[in-house]
Amino acid sequence: AQSVAQPEDQVNVAEGNPLTVKCTYSVSGNPYLFWYVQYPNRGLQFLLKYITGDNLVKGSYGFEAEFNKSQTSFHLKKPSALVSDSALYFCAVRVGGGADGLTFGKGTHLIIQP
Amino acid sequence: DAGVTQSPTHLIKTRGQQVTLRCSPKSGHDTVSWYQQALGQGPQFIFQYYEEEERQRGNFPDRFSGHQFPNYSSELNVNALLLGDSALYLCASSSTGGGYTFGSGTRLTVV
Repeated sequence: AQSVAQPEDQVNVAEGNPLTVKCTYSVSGNPYLFWYVQYPNRGLQFLLKYITGDNLVKGSYGFEAEFNKSQTSFHLKKPSALVSDSALYFCAVRVGGGADGLTFGKGTHLIIQP
Repeated sequence: DAGVTQSPTHLIKTRGQQVTLRCSPKSGHDTVSWYQQALGQGPQFIFQYYEEEERQRGNFPDRFSGHQFPNYSSELNVNALLLGDSALYLCASSSTGGGYTFGSGTRLTVV
């Protein structure tokens, strides 16, 4: 079985400061890891993914994430937060090469204060 | 390049009724997955369709069924609706080795 933990329900950051949204995972096999963002009453928008290769993955809107195999983590980061980054962020995992669907965390509300 | 299209956007049904939700995948994608997102929760995997067959299924009862058509579009059917089936239903399309593109979802309310 696979699982994802997002330990923070909410993260508050001042505009212009760096932000981190935490994610840890558990999977039997090689993980494929994803970050999605959701705005109110909308579907999920893809930010970035890790499949293989460089542990630092760069994605949309200036976001990046670092894959850490020993800590089974895939934290989302951005050097300078914008008010428009305020949204609900989901981390997801699936087993590489399999046909399983994505397993999502419960989500983290990111609030950027002006 | 059209993304994933879901219809309808909103739906209100009465307990015990049946509902059908529809999804058209992104151009070039051949796999469709369905997810249920209850209020305040992350999406939960219902099932995935590939080559018109159910390839993988999550922990959902048989009341939830689906279909994929030759043009890769898909339907999600839910029978004997319960109040607890109220949720946002998301469709995601993908291709082998690629990422997932999600639609905006169908908001189902069961009263």
